[in-house]
Amino acid sequence: DVKVTQSSRYLVKRTGEKVFLECVQDMDHENMFWYRQDPGLGLRLIYFSYDVKMKEKGDIPEGYSVSREKKERFSLILESASTNQTSMYLCASSTGGGRAGELFFGEGSRLTVL
Amino acid sequence: EDQVTQSPEALRLQEGESSSLNCSYTVSGLRGLFWYRQDPGKGPEFLFTLYSAGEEKEKERLKATLTKKESFLHITAPKPEDSATYLCAVQPYSGNTPLVFGKGTRLSVIA
Repeated sequence: DVKVTQSSRYLVKRTGEKVFLECVQDMDHENMFWYRQDPGLGLRLIYFSYDVKMKEKGDIPEGYSVSREKKERFSLILESASTNQTSMYLCASSTGGGRAGELFFGEGSRLTVL
Repeated sequence: EDQVTQSPEALRLQEGESSSLNCSYTVSGLRGLFWYRQDPGKGPEFLFTLYSAGEEKEKERLKATLTKKESFLHITAPKPEDSATYLCAVQPYSGNTPLVFGKGTRLSVIA
């Protein structure tokens, strides 16, 4: 069965802390994505990657970075967490070609920054 | 700019009361339109892909249709388990562009 696994469902961090959110997929997908979801704002794309060691900025990359050293793993890094980064973070993956828009999402990581 | 607008924001139905959700889009060229379902506290789950005007897809009580400017998700005789947020997204033709999502319609079906 297709699976996207996010390392933590719930995290509580302090302002200024460095935060790592990990995402692993077991489908050999080329494409991986990080979104955040906030009430009234919908899904917003932070970063995406179409290949190993490759990354592209999404709509709201400020304050975030990513790493994709292996095909199955895509990490989101908050270098210095701030309260406005409190949100639900969703990782997704998809295959290339004609089905690239069929995203498989993880369960989400709910981050609270105090 | 590519844009997706979903309406209504929220919809409350009685069990068995059929209705439709709307997704209007503006895109330079449409590669595909996608519908997702999201349950509270979970990630979205893929439902349908539509590629060209006139195309229809069905799954249980759901039917998605596509015109050149909008898509509808028709829900026939809904049940309480159909309660969820339904998201629409478009994939533009330009290069390898990610999906553009709408903000979703929150559907509640009351027994």
